[in-house]
Amino acid sequence: GAGVSQTPSNKVTEKGKYVELRCDPISGHTALYWYRQSLGQGPEFLIYFQGTGAADDSGLPNDRFFAVRPEGSVSTLKIQRTERGDSAVYLCASSFSGGGPYEQYFGPGTRLTVT
Amino acid sequence: QQQVKQSPQSLIVQKGGISIINCAYENTAFDYFPWYQQFPGKGPALLIAIRPDVSEKKEGRFTISFNKSAKQFSLHIMDSQPGDSATYFCAASIDSGAGSYQLTFGKGTKLSVIP
Repeated sequence: GAGVSQTPSNKVTEKGKYVELRCDPISGHTALYWYRQSLGQGPEFLIYFQGTGAADDSGLPNDRFFAVRPEGSVSTLKIQRTERGDSAVYLCASSFSGGGPYEQYFGPGTRLTVT
Repeated sequence: QQQVKQSPQSLIVQKGGISIINCAYENTAFDYFPWYQQFPGKGPALLIAIRPDVSEKKEGRFTISFNKSAKQFSLHIMDSQPGDSATYFCAASIDSGAGSYQLTFGKGTKLSVIP
């Protein structure tokens, strides 16, 4: 079946602009995670959704970052007033939930470059 | 504070040899330890995972060894092949209390298997 998809695959934006990154999880997965991977580093957790609600947003670096998942499926990560330090690959992962850790299936990521 | 430390940063192994990657963690509440494989331009993919109630888990050529008292775990790749050349990440997670099993990743090991 289809895996996690993310669009766009690449996004170049100017400093100060607003961007939206989209994640389409595996059908039936109620848990959805966003991670950020800087060059040469492991992914870092940003936010977790259980269904439509952001159950854990403790990894968001500041209030310029926001994410939604209005219908419990597709999620959008929104970054306001982008800064050059926001340049990274943004990864989305989905999994089943309830009763313990399940395998997180990652999408290919969106490479964001802020010039 | 880096909660999961991974070594080495890079590793070169001859085809047919054994690749060994080590990780150490600090938070004794972690209760799920997966290893992910990542190829360039792709998202991480789960290789194998272990819970702390077992000391070893083997799946094909991949083995996790887990030492709870030392707070260390390692990945062994037997009969390494050029197709195994990728970046490997160890990770750890606990239930954050909101049902989130967010992953805390190490910094990664770039493995090169030479013919």
